[in-house]
This record gives sequence, structure tokens and C-alpha cells, in this order.
Amino acid sequence: QSVLTQPPSASETPGQRVTISCSGSSSNIGSNTVNWYQQLPGTAPKLLIYSNNQRPSGVPDRFSGSKSGTSASLAISGLQSEDEADFYCAAWDDGLNGWVFGGGTKLTVL
Amino acid sequence: EVQLVESGGGLVQPGGSLRLSCAASGFTFSSYSMNWVRQAPGKGLEWVSYISSSSSTIYNADSVKGRFTISRDNAKNSLYLQMNSLRDEDTAVYYCARSGGYYDSSGYSPLDNWGQGTLVTVSS
Repeated sequence: QSVLTQPPSASETPGQRVTISCSGSSSNIGSNTVNWYQQLPGTAPKLLIYSNNQRPSGVPDRFSGSKSGTSASLAISGLQSEDEADFYCAAWDDGLNGWVFGGGTKLTVL
Repeated sequence: EVQLVESGGGLVQPGGSLRLSCAASGFTFSSYSMNWVRQAPGKGLEWVSYISSSSSTIYNADSVKGRFTISRDNAKNSLYLQMNSLRDEDTAVYYCARSGGYYDSSGYSPLDNWGQGTLVTVSS
């Protein structure tokens, strides 16, 4: 059971917009910022969004993040087939003194 | 270009030990905190250990406390994970990941670069 809660799957057609939610608690998302990672099949995770809504250089602006209270979300607009991947949210947990992850959301582009 | 290359994985019996290494290049290793994160087959990501740039601060997940030890050698640009008393549930791909590349207002910089991982299989 992951500390952060994500839906196990999401799907949408190419060109459309999809959002992935991430729910936590006061000790993690409620106190600290949220990061999102994209893991393409057979590869290592890649930082997609940090500090709730910041994109590392090279990440398209189709990807955006937001946070409110103890929840966060990742939005992907203009879906492309190459966006098919597993997405993970993460935050530092002050009670556990460590990083906690969501269980991951498998995105399918129909 | 930042490069992190893990090594040392393999097959080990329950109760056994293994030492993972992560060779860093392309950045000033001694200036960054480092982490180990693992992923069991077909499962999600699980953070394992954190070590600050000077080794003064170390955090471990409850699941590995007392069994795993993270360390680093800044002179050798290397990160290590000594794993003892291994259990079946420790079977996973182990990634080393850097943090500190981006400023974060909460003080916890994200894991911004990851290695390709090394597979540890615990089985009799």
C-alpha cells in the first residue's frame, strides 16, 4: 500500500487532455511540494514536474502540475502515443523522514 | 552530461549480503545528495535511502532499517548500498538517483537524475 494514492490507470485518445490525481496527507503533500516522474516501458524514471508545477528543461509544456491542500494533479494535453507510460507522484514525508511515492498510474493512449 | 551507473546486482540467497555501487560522472558529485530507490518486478517505486553530500545526514526507509547501509566516497565519485540479511521481498531493480539539482521551497530537492538500475534477486 503506497503512502500517496493514485488511480492505477488512465486512458484517453490522441490530442485530448488527461489528468492524473495524487492524494496524500498533512505530513507529505500538505507540508511539502510534489514531484512527478514518467517511466517509459523498460526505462528508468525521469523527472517530469518538480515543486508542484515546474518543468525541467526539455519537458514539453503539454505537461503541467498543480497542488491544492493534500492533493496534487498532473495534466497532459495534446496527448501523443509516445506519452504512454507509468506516472508517479512523490513528496517528502516529514513523519517518515523520506520520500514517498504514489503507486503509479499507467497511461494508455487509445 | 550527468551519468549514474549502478553495478553489483545479482542473485543472492535469503539471509545473504550484497553491495551495490553507483558511479557518478558529469557533475560535481560531492555537492549533491544521493538516494537509492527500488522497484520490485511489476510494482511501483519505493524510496530506500538518502545520504547528504557530506554524509552527515542519512535517512532509511523503515523496511530496510538495520539491514541496509548507504555510504559514499566523494573522492571516488561513488555511492554504495550495503545490503545485509536480504529477504525475498528485497528483490527489485535498484536505482541510484541524484537530488539537489533544483531549488525547492520546501527544502527537499527532487530526484532529478536516475541511473539505469541494477537487478537484485533474492531467492533460494
